[in-house]
Amino acid sequence: SQQGEEDPQALSIQEGENATMNCSYKTSINNLQWYRQNSGRGLVHLILIRSNEREKHSGRLRVTLDTSKKSSSLLITASRAADTASYFCATGLRGSYKLIFGSGTRLLVRP
Amino acid sequence: DADVTQTPRNRITKTGKRIMLECSQTKGHDRMYWYRQDPGLGLRLIYYSFDVKDINKGEISDGYSVSRQAQAKFSLSLESAIPNQTALYFCATSVAGREFTGELFFGEGSRLTVL
Repeated sequence: SQQGEEDPQALSIQEGENATMNCSYKTSINNLQWYRQNSGRGLVHLILIRSNEREKHSGRLRVTLDTSKKSSSLLITASRAADTASYFCATGLRGSYKLIFGSGTRLLVRP
Repeated sequence: DADVTQTPRNRITKTGKRIMLECSQTKGHDRMYWYRQDPGLGLRLIYYSFDVKDINKGEISDGYSVSRQAQAKFSLSLESAIPNQTALYFCATSVAGREFTGELFFGEGSRLTVL
C-alpha cells in the first residue's frame, strides 16, 4: 500500500461550505505537501508543511500536521465551484529525495 | 509558454513499439522527475535526476529508461511498450535547495495508450 492515503476518496459539498481532506502516512517525513489537479491536467503545488510545523495557512487553505499520528488535513474554507478538482498529499520521506503521492481526494463543489 | 513542456501530449501505440516521451523546462531547475498516474493509484515515481550525470530509479523503473540530455531536457523511453504501461505520464521539476524534496512543478502530462 502507498505511503500516503487520503480520506475521503470523494467529497461533494455545496458552494460556500468548508471542505476537509485527510492524509495518513506510514514512515517519518521531512515534509508533507498538498497538490491540486484539475481533470486531466498537471498537478499544481498548494502548500508545504515541514515536519517541525503544526499548522500553515495560505489564503483559504489551512493545513495541519500531526507527526505523532502521522496524519495531515487540508481545509478549504468558503469553497467555490472552481475548487472542484482532485487533491493529493505527498510525503517527502526522511533521508530520501523521493516525494511519494497518495491516491487523492476528488472534490466536487456544487454551485 | 509553459515552464515545463511535455511532448507528445497524446500517443497511441502498439505492443512492442519503442516510445519516447520528452520533457523540456525553462525554469532553470536542476532536478527533474518522471511520474506515472493510474486511476485510483495516484502518482508513482519512475525516475529522477538531479543533474546531467545523476540518474536514479524510483518506485517503478522496470520497463522504462531515461536520458538527461541537458539540464533542461529529460526524456523517458519505453523500449518495448506493453498494455499495462497505458497511463498518464508527468514530468516535473524542482529546485535544489533547503528541502530534500521541495515543491514540484509539473508539465501538463502525456497520455499514452498501448494497444
